[in-house]
Formats: sequence, structure tokens, C-alpha cells
Amino acid sequence: NAGVTQTPKFQVLKTGQSMTLQCAQDMNHNSMYWYRQDPGMGLRLIYYSASEGTTDKGEVPNGYNVSRLNKREFSLRLESAAPSQTSVYFCASSELSGPLGSYEQYFGPGTRLTVT
Amino acid sequence: QQQVKQSPQSLIVQKGGIPIINCAYENTAFDYFPWYQQFPGKGPALLIAIRPDVSEKKEGRFTISFNKSAKQFSLHIMDSQPGDSATYFCAASWAGGTSYGKLTFGQGTILTVHP
Repeated sequence: NAGVTQTPKFQVLKTGQSMTLQCAQDMNHNSMYWYRQDPGMGLRLIYYSASEGTTDKGEVPNGYNVSRLNKREFSLRLESAAPSQTSVYFCASSELSGPLGSYEQYFGPGTRLTVT
Repeated sequence: QQQVKQSPQSLIVQKGGIPIINCAYENTAFDYFPWYQQFPGKGPALLIAIRPDVSEKKEGRFTISFNKSAKQFSLHIMDSQPGDSATYFCAASWAGGTSYGKLTFGQGTILTVHP
């Protein structure tokens, strides 16, 4: 049971290049999320997917696209990378459960992206 | 817009001290308030969470205090240990099916516990 896995762990891009960050979970969760983490800003939601086949924008979606490939996988694509997208990216998954009737999010280890 | 404000940005305590991290929220629709702990190079992990129908919740050495009228909540770490050194995030959401678990996070607090 690996939980949430992300690839790659590190990536350096030049401005204008494109790339896809991969995320997979093996907990059979319906909901998945992409966040970015910047110093002093906390974690900000980029996109989320409530269930397979659906995606929706979060707080900071500009410059990103996502694909919910199947229930397990949720990818994040940067079509034309910009230095402002230098960040640590986290994928998470969750399911409505527990005594509080809430979603506990499980996070992956992150991808550290630098755009020069 | 920052709907959850967290303070302080960083905190240094001695072993055995009781660090306190505070958060304030704006959206009165929020009804689920988790705290996440993050170690360097790792993703955040849920530490403890509370609903606003209680004013306090304890899990081991970690306590959440909640003040609904002031729209504030805080994390207290009793008998802090060097292993508690990490970044702590408060967050808020509205629980239940229609939120799909979307969380609004505070800015984070870097806690250092000296031996």
C-alpha cells in the first residue's frame, strides 16, 4: 500500500517548456487534488477532481491543466512553464469518512519544480 | 484572498515548552478545521481536526481550542519534544459531500523545539 505517489521528485524546466506531473493513489479514493506550496503562502489549491471524469478549478488554476485519467491517476500539466510556477507541488486524495463526516486528505511526497 | 490567517510564521521553544499556534478564519460557512504537520521533504499529514460544535479536542499531546464567536482556533502542543519540530498548517473547509474536501490553508508555522 504505497498511498499517494508522485513523479518526478525534482524537475528543472526552462521558461516556455512543458511538462506533466504524475500522481497516483491506491486507496480507492474518489477525490483528488493538486496543490502548490510556496514560502509564506501555505498550500493553495490548483485543481481538484471530485470523482473520476470530473475536474474543477481551485484557487490558482491559471497556467495549469489537469486530467483525471481514471480513479487512481490525476495528472497536472504545465503547457508553457513560467518562473512564477517555481514551487513544490503536492497531490492529495481523500474520501468522505470518519467520525467527523469529513475528508482526511492524504498527501504525496511532492515534486520540487524550478523554472529558469 | 486569504480566508485563513495563521500566526506566528515561526516559533522556537525549549523541550517541554507549550507552543501555541493561532488561526483566524473569515468564512462562517466553514465547519471543519484540521491541522496538518509537515516534516522537511515530506507531504503534510493530518494531525488533529475539530468541528465547531465543541470548544476543545485533545489527542495525546496535541490540543485544539476553538472559539466560534471570535472565528479563531489554535493548536497547543503539550510537553513539546525535538521530534515535534516541523511546519504546522491550519486549514478550514465545510465538511460533507458538496465540499469534496477542498481545504483552505493558513500560511504555515515553522516550529523548532530545542533539546
